[in-house]
Amino acid sequence: DTAVSQTPKYLVTQMGNDKSIKCEQNLGHDTMYWYKQDSKKFLKIMFSYNNKELIINETVPNRFSPKSPDKAHLNLHINSLELGDSAVYFCASSPDRGYGYTFGSGTRLTVV
Amino acid sequence: AQSVTQPDIHITVSEGASLELRCNYSYGATPYLFWYVQSPGQGLQLLLKYFSGDTLVQGIKGFEAEFKRSQSSFNLRKPSVHWSDAAEYFCAVWSSASKIIFGSGTRLSIRP
Repeated sequence: DTAVSQTPKYLVTQMGNDKSIKCEQNLGHDTMYWYKQDSKKFLKIMFSYNNKELIINETVPNRFSPKSPDKAHLNLHINSLELGDSAVYFCASSPDRGYGYTFGSGTRLTVV
Repeated sequence: AQSVTQPDIHITVSEGASLELRCNYSYGATPYLFWYVQSPGQGLQLLLKYFSGDTLVQGIKGFEAEFKRSQSSFNLRKPSVHWSDAAEYFCAVWSSASKIIFGSGTRLSIRP
């Protein structure tokens, strides 16, 4: 009964491959997010969806494409993976502004 | 633009000693402020949050933070640290762009 669950937890893949990360929340929250954490622990927002509608799309290569089939799910698909995509990707959700996020445990992506 | 600064990259304190982690924010109006903790290999967990009202907020795990508008600060404190408090700590602010902006983090080490 994990609140925000991400799969897979670890992902090792070769350059040029396409991969997806899935996220599901059972909290009934309206808004979901993808953040990227780099090797220096810096967290940067990538995308945000509110009730299936894209509301934040930061400056991210268009090889990254989010998809939200319903408000409980937010997936991240990455095409043509590059070495620089190696990072930890976090999914998060929130009920409204100011409530803070509930984070998933992260997906560590390693591109070799 | 809204921002958060954590001036200390790494702090080491002895077990049982008191702790203060510094955070300065830049925000025009009354900010929504947060402290998160990230244990190694884990996601981020919300420690506490400030929206308005009492400037001293209590959080989980014995942490508290004090909002000081005159100093644009929101420092995190704990009277006596435990070895299990070793982690990365992030201060964050809710921005007008409907997202949370995180500071660069402070790594806390505990000396036995």
